[in-house]
Order: sequence, then structure tokens, then C-alpha cells
Amino acid sequence: DIVMTQSPLSLPVTPGEPASISCRSSQSLLHTSGYNHLDWYLQKPGQSPKLLIYMGSNRASGVPDRFSGGGSGTDFTLKISRVEAEDVGVYYCMQALQAPPTFGPGTKVDIK
Amino acid sequence: QVQLVQSGAEVKKPGASVKVSCKASGYTFSTYAIHWVRQAPGQRLEWMGWINAANGNTKYSQKFQDRVSITRDTSASTAYMELSSLRSEDTAIYYCARGYYYASGSSPDYWGQGTLVTVSS
Repeated sequence: DIVMTQSPLSLPVTPGEPASISCRSSQSLLHTSGYNHLDWYLQKPGQSPKLLIYMGSNRASGVPDRFSGGGSGTDFTLKISRVEAEDVGVYYCMQALQAPPTFGPGTKVDIK
Repeated sequence: QVQLVQSGAEVKKPGASVKVSCKASGYTFSTYAIHWVRQAPGQRLEWMGWINAANGNTKYSQKFQDRVSITRDTSASTAYMELSSLRSEDTAIYYCARGYYYASGSSPDYWGQGTLVTVSS
């Protein structure tokens, strides 16, 4: 199985400031189609996960443009340009290139 | 709007089976997949399998291959996940999620509210 890692695992943030989360995979997630099969999810406290970014860099419907995804191959980053209080929760990356899809351990974002 | 509504919490004894339902609305059921993902206490999300809602084809994680069965009823826009031979380590929240298709497979987008399954003697 492809192993996913994330850093940091805990990220205290200040509203209005930028934030960044790193995700790495044990093998390249670049498909022959040219797309990276890497998704980002946010699980707010007490809620189900919600898709933020798909195929590495595409914002899902309704996701604010302060969220952006980048990277390719084995190294990916989720960036929040200006953190808002509602962005707290656990962020997961997930690879969808190879079955079974596997998730990172999660990065817990909270307000300082 | 897309909604996935799951059945309620379950308490089961070791060795028993559990069947969780997932009723979809707000989209054409057969044009997407349904994934099942679980989250044990303090653990990361763990993918169990998915079903092509159009033709019923399934793919399971090898970890659960011998114990899980995912089915669907297109007339009811409902998918089901049955897990057998339950043990205490299966205590978790079980999520269904709609799966969008891409070139080589499917990936979850909208998620259900989750169903807590507790396995205890």
C-alpha cells in the first residue's frame, strides 16, 4: 500500500495569517493522464470529512479560494492564504492512484 | 443538494455481523460510486471498499476482503455495507461517501454523517 505522511501533525494558527500543510507519499501519485491523484479533506470537530481539493490542485465546489493545493509526484502542499476561525479541524490528504486509497495521519489545526 | 443519510448507531457482540445503510439523494444515484471508510478512535481514516452504483461491481481493501460486503439497491438509491465476524477492533465510525469517477478509479467527495458501530461483549 502507498504510505502517506503529513507534517506538521499539529498546527496552531493565528486568524488572518497564512498556513501550510505538507503531505508526502511513498511513491509518485502522478498518473499517466498527467493528473496527480491526491485529494485533501477537512474534518471539522464533530463532523464528517469534506472534500477541499481534488487531483492535487482543484478546489471542490463551494470551497473558498483562500484554500489552494499544489505539488506533484510525492510532495504536496495545502495552503490557506488567510486562516479564518472556521478553518479549525483535522486536515487529511488521501492518495487515490492505487487501491486501496490511503490517508495521511491528519494535521490538527487550531487557533492559537 | 447532495445528501447521504446513514442508519443509526449499532452495538454488537464479538462474532456478530453489522449492516449499515446509506441513502443518497440530490443526484442520480447510478452515475456515481459509493465508498465506505471507517475511523477507529484515535486512528486515521481507513478505506474499506467501493461499489459502482450502476453495475454493482465492487472493489475491497485486502484487509477486509474476507469480511465485508458492499451492495446497493438502485430503486431505493441506497447502498449497504455489511461487516461480519466483528471484533473489538472494529469499533469505529463508519462513513459512506459518494465517489466521483476519474481515469483510473473513483474518489470520495460528499460524505454521510457516519454510523458508530460498537463491538463489545
